[in-house]
Amino acid sequence: QKEVEQNSGPLSVPEGAIASLNCTYSDRGSQSFFWYRQYSGKSPELIMFIYSNGDKEDGRFTAQLNKASQYVSLLIRDSQPSDSATYLCAVNRAANNLFFGTGTRLTVIP
Amino acid sequence: GAGVSQSPSNKVTEKGKDVELRCDPISGHTALYWYRQSLGQGLEFLIYFQGNSAPDKSGLPSDRFSAERTGGSVSTLTIQRTQQEDSAVYLCASSATKETQYFGPGTRLLVL
Repeated sequence: QKEVEQNSGPLSVPEGAIASLNCTYSDRGSQSFFWYRQYSGKSPELIMFIYSNGDKEDGRFTAQLNKASQYVSLLIRDSQPSDSATYLCAVNRAANNLFFGTGTRLTVIP
Repeated sequence: GAGVSQSPSNKVTEKGKDVELRCDPISGHTALYWYRQSLGQGLEFLIYFQGNSAPDKSGLPSDRFSAERTGGSVSTLTIQRTQQEDSAVYLCASSATKETQYFGPGTRLLVL
Protein backbone atom coordinates (compact mmCIF):
# COMPACT_ATOMS: atom_id res chain seq x y z
CA GLN A 1 0.00 0.00 0.00
CA LYS A 2 1.33 3.41 -0.93
CA GLU A 3 1.86 6.00 1.78
CA VAL A 4 -0.29 8.53 -0.04
CA GLU A 5 -2.83 7.76 -2.74
CA GLN A 6 -4.59 10.06 -5.13
CA ASN A 7 -6.78 9.53 -8.14
CA SER A 8 -4.54 10.43 -11.07
CA GLY A 9 -7.43 11.87 -13.03
CA PRO A 10 -7.70 13.71 -15.25
CA LEU A 11 -10.45 15.57 -13.51
CA SER A 12 -12.33 18.01 -15.71
CA VAL A 13 -14.69 20.68 -14.40
CA PRO A 14 -16.34 23.62 -16.12
CA GLU A 15 -15.23 27.12 -15.26
CA GLY A 16 -17.01 28.39 -12.15
CA ALA A 17 -17.69 24.94 -10.75
CA ILE A 18 -16.28 23.38 -7.59
CA ALA A 19 -13.33 21.04 -8.08
CA SER A 20 -12.92 18.35 -5.44
CA LEU A 21 -9.56 16.62 -5.08
CA ASN A 22 -9.14 13.68 -2.75
CA CYS A 23 -6.26 11.96 -1.00
CA THR A 24 -5.91 9.05 1.40
CA TYR A 25 -2.91 8.13 3.50
CA SER A 26 -1.86 4.93 5.19
CA ASP A 27 -0.04 5.98 8.37
CA ARG A 28 -2.33 6.93 11.24
CA GLY A 29 0.61 8.68 12.87
CA SER A 30 0.68 11.30 10.14
CA GLN A 31 0.56 14.78 11.58
CA SER A 32 0.61 17.38 8.83
CA PHE A 33 -1.03 17.46 5.45
CA PHE A 34 -0.21 19.61 2.45
CA TRP A 35 -1.56 20.46 -0.94
CA TYR A 36 0.86 21.56 -3.64
CA ARG A 37 0.02 22.76 -7.14
CA GLN A 38 2.35 21.93 -10.01
CA TYR A 39 1.98 23.47 -13.43
CA SER A 40 3.36 21.50 -16.33
CA GLY A 41 7.13 21.79 -16.46
CA LYS A 42 7.27 23.77 -13.24
CA SER A 43 8.12 22.93 -9.64
CA PRO A 44 5.48 22.37 -6.96
CA GLU A 45 4.18 25.36 -5.02
CA LEU A 46 2.46 25.15 -1.66
CA ILE A 47 -1.25 25.99 -1.63
CA MET A 48 -2.35 24.99 1.85
CA PHE A 49 -1.47 22.90 4.86
CA ILE A 50 -3.74 21.54 7.57
CA TYR A 51 -3.03 19.88 10.90
CA SER A 52 -6.39 19.52 12.63
CA ASN A 53 -9.58 17.71 11.77
CA GLY A 54 -12.13 19.85 10.01
CA ASP A 55 -11.96 22.52 7.36
CA LYS A 56 -9.44 25.22 6.65
CA GLU A 57 -10.32 27.94 4.17
CA ASP A 58 -8.05 30.27 2.24
CA GLY A 59 -9.72 32.28 -0.47
CA ARG A 60 -11.22 29.94 -3.03
CA PHE A 61 -9.45 26.94 -1.50
CA THR A 62 -10.69 24.76 1.35
CA ALA A 63 -8.71 21.88 2.80
CA GLN A 64 -10.62 19.21 4.69
CA LEU A 65 -9.06 16.66 7.02
CA ASN A 66 -10.62 13.56 8.55
CA LYS A 67 -8.00 11.67 10.54
CA ALA A 68 -10.37 8.87 11.52
CA SER A 69 -10.91 8.08 7.85
CA GLN A 70 -7.31 8.97 6.91
CA TYR A 71 -8.62 11.27 4.27
CA VAL A 72 -7.75 14.77 3.17
CA SER A 73 -9.34 16.77 0.39
CA LEU A 74 -9.00 20.08 -1.40
CA LEU A 75 -11.98 22.00 -2.71
CA ILE A 76 -11.51 24.75 -5.25
CA ARG A 77 -14.52 27.03 -5.57
CA ASP A 78 -15.27 29.10 -8.66
CA SER A 79 -12.68 27.14 -10.64
CA GLN A 80 -10.72 29.12 -13.20
CA PRO A 81 -8.78 27.93 -16.25
CA SER A 82 -5.64 29.10 -14.45
CA ASP A 83 -6.32 26.44 -11.81
CA SER A 84 -5.57 23.77 -14.42
CA ALA A 85 -2.56 21.94 -13.02
CA THR A 86 -1.55 18.80 -11.18
CA TYR A 87 -2.37 18.87 -7.48
CA LEU A 88 -0.08 16.93 -5.17
CA CYS A 89 -1.11 15.75 -1.73
CA ALA A 90 1.73 15.38 0.78
CA VAL A 91 1.84 13.93 4.28
CA ASN A 92 4.37 14.47 7.05
CA ARG A 93 4.86 11.99 9.86
CA ALA A 94 7.05 12.46 12.89
CA ALA A 95 10.04 12.39 10.59
CA ASN A 96 10.86 15.41 8.54
CA ASN A 97 10.37 14.27 4.99
CA LEU A 98 7.14 14.55 3.10
CA PHE A 99 5.47 11.64 1.35
CA PHE A 100 3.85 12.77 -1.86
CA GLY A 101 1.03 11.25 -3.84
CA THR A 102 1.36 10.95 -7.59
CA GLY A 103 -0.97 13.89 -8.09
CA THR A 104 -4.34 14.56 -9.68
CA ARG A 105 -4.41 16.41 -12.97
CA LEU A 106 -7.16 19.04 -13.03
CA THR A 107 -8.47 20.69 -16.17
CA VAL A 108 -10.86 23.62 -15.90
CA ILE A 109 -12.81 24.01 -19.11
CA PRO A 110 -13.66 27.62 -20.13
CA GLY B 1 13.55 37.73 -1.91
CA ALA B 2 15.45 35.07 -3.81
CA GLY B 3 13.96 31.62 -3.90
CA VAL B 4 15.62 28.24 -4.11
CA SER B 5 17.92 28.02 -7.10
CA GLN B 6 19.26 24.94 -8.82
CA SER B 7 21.87 24.36 -11.46
CA PRO B 8 22.15 23.26 -14.12
CA SER B 9 18.56 23.56 -15.29
CA ASN B 10 19.13 20.77 -17.79
CA LYS B 11 21.79 18.09 -17.98
CA VAL B 12 22.34 15.50 -20.68
CA THR B 13 24.93 12.86 -19.94
CA GLU B 14 26.05 9.49 -21.18
CA LYS B 15 25.41 6.30 -19.30
CA GLY B 16 28.23 5.59 -16.89
CA LYS B 17 29.26 9.20 -16.36
CA ASP B 18 29.07 10.99 -13.01
CA VAL B 19 26.92 14.10 -12.57
CA GLU B 20 26.70 16.80 -9.90
CA LEU B 21 23.56 18.79 -9.26
CA ARG B 22 23.62 21.94 -7.18
CA CYS B 23 21.07 23.54 -4.90
CA ASP B 24 21.17 26.98 -3.27
CA PRO B 25 18.48 27.16 -0.61
CA ILE B 26 16.67 30.24 0.58
CA SER B 27 18.95 32.21 2.89
CA GLY B 28 18.37 31.31 6.51
CA HIS B 29 16.56 28.05 5.80
CA THR B 30 18.07 25.33 7.93
CA ALA B 31 16.39 22.38 6.26
CA LEU B 32 17.15 21.19 2.74
CA TYR B 33 15.56 18.32 0.83
CA TRP B 34 16.24 16.51 -2.42
CA TYR B 35 13.45 14.80 -4.36
CA ARG B 36 13.24 13.04 -7.68
CA GLN B 37 10.26 13.19 -10.01
CA SER B 38 10.04 10.83 -12.95
CA LEU B 39 7.72 11.59 -15.86
CA GLY B 40 4.11 11.44 -14.74
CA GLN B 41 5.06 10.36 -11.23
CA GLY B 42 4.91 11.91 -7.80
CA LEU B 43 7.88 13.17 -5.88
CA GLU B 44 10.25 10.59 -4.47
CA PHE B 45 12.13 11.68 -1.34
CA LEU B 46 15.88 11.21 -1.57
CA ILE B 47 17.68 12.92 1.31
CA TYR B 48 17.12 15.54 4.01
CA PHE B 49 19.55 17.87 5.78
CA GLN B 50 18.72 19.74 8.98
CA GLY B 51 21.31 22.12 10.35
CA ASN B 52 24.42 20.29 11.50
CA SER B 53 22.62 17.02 12.18
CA ALA B 54 23.44 13.84 10.30
CA PRO B 55 21.39 13.75 7.09
CA ASP B 56 18.43 11.44 6.62
CA LYS B 57 19.58 9.34 3.65
CA SER B 58 16.75 6.85 3.81
CA GLY B 59 15.41 7.72 0.36
CA LEU B 60 18.58 7.32 -1.65
CA PRO B 61 17.88 4.54 -4.18
CA SER B 62 21.40 3.14 -4.35
CA ASP B 63 24.95 3.76 -3.23
CA ARG B 64 25.57 5.55 -6.53
CA PHE B 65 23.70 8.49 -5.03
CA SER B 66 25.24 10.80 -2.45
CA ALA B 67 24.75 14.35 -1.26
CA GLU B 68 26.63 16.93 0.72
CA ARG B 69 25.69 20.19 2.28
CA THR B 70 28.59 22.52 2.93
CA GLY B 71 28.46 25.19 5.58
CA GLY B 72 24.79 24.57 6.19
CA SER B 73 23.88 26.20 2.90
CA VAL B 74 24.64 24.96 -0.62
CA SER B 75 24.05 21.28 -1.36
CA THR B 76 25.36 19.03 -4.09
CA LEU B 77 23.69 15.80 -5.17
CA THR B 78 26.10 13.45 -6.93
CA ILE B 79 25.08 10.50 -9.06
CA GLN B 80 27.92 8.17 -9.98
CA ARG B 81 27.93 5.85 -12.97
CA THR B 82 24.59 7.16 -14.18
CA GLN B 83 22.02 4.77 -15.59
CA GLN B 84 19.14 5.49 -17.94
CA GLU B 85 16.64 4.95 -15.13
CA ASP B 86 18.23 7.92 -13.34
CA SER B 87 16.64 10.21 -15.92
CA ALA B 88 14.20 12.44 -14.05
CA VAL B 89 13.71 15.92 -12.67
CA TYR B 90 15.68 16.42 -9.48
CA LEU B 91 14.04 18.93 -7.18
CA CYS B 92 15.53 20.65 -4.20
CA ALA B 93 13.45 22.27 -1.47
CA SER B 94 14.30 24.25 1.62
CA SER B 95 12.36 25.22 4.70
CA ALA B 96 12.69 27.34 7.79
CA THR B 97 9.96 25.47 9.62
CA LYS B 98 9.46 21.77 9.97
CA GLU B 99 6.81 21.56 7.30
CA THR B 100 6.59 24.37 4.77
CA GLN B 101 8.95 23.49 1.94
CA TYR B 102 9.75 25.78 -0.95
CA PHE B 103 10.90 24.15 -4.15
CA GLY B 104 13.50 25.16 -6.65
CA PRO B 105 12.92 24.96 -10.43
CA GLY B 106 14.59 21.56 -10.67
CA THR B 107 17.31 20.01 -12.80
CA ARG B 108 16.15 17.89 -15.71
CA LEU B 109 18.57 15.02 -16.10
CA LEU B 110 18.64 12.88 -19.21
CA VAL B 111 20.93 9.88 -19.32
CA LEU B 112 21.51 8.58 -22.83
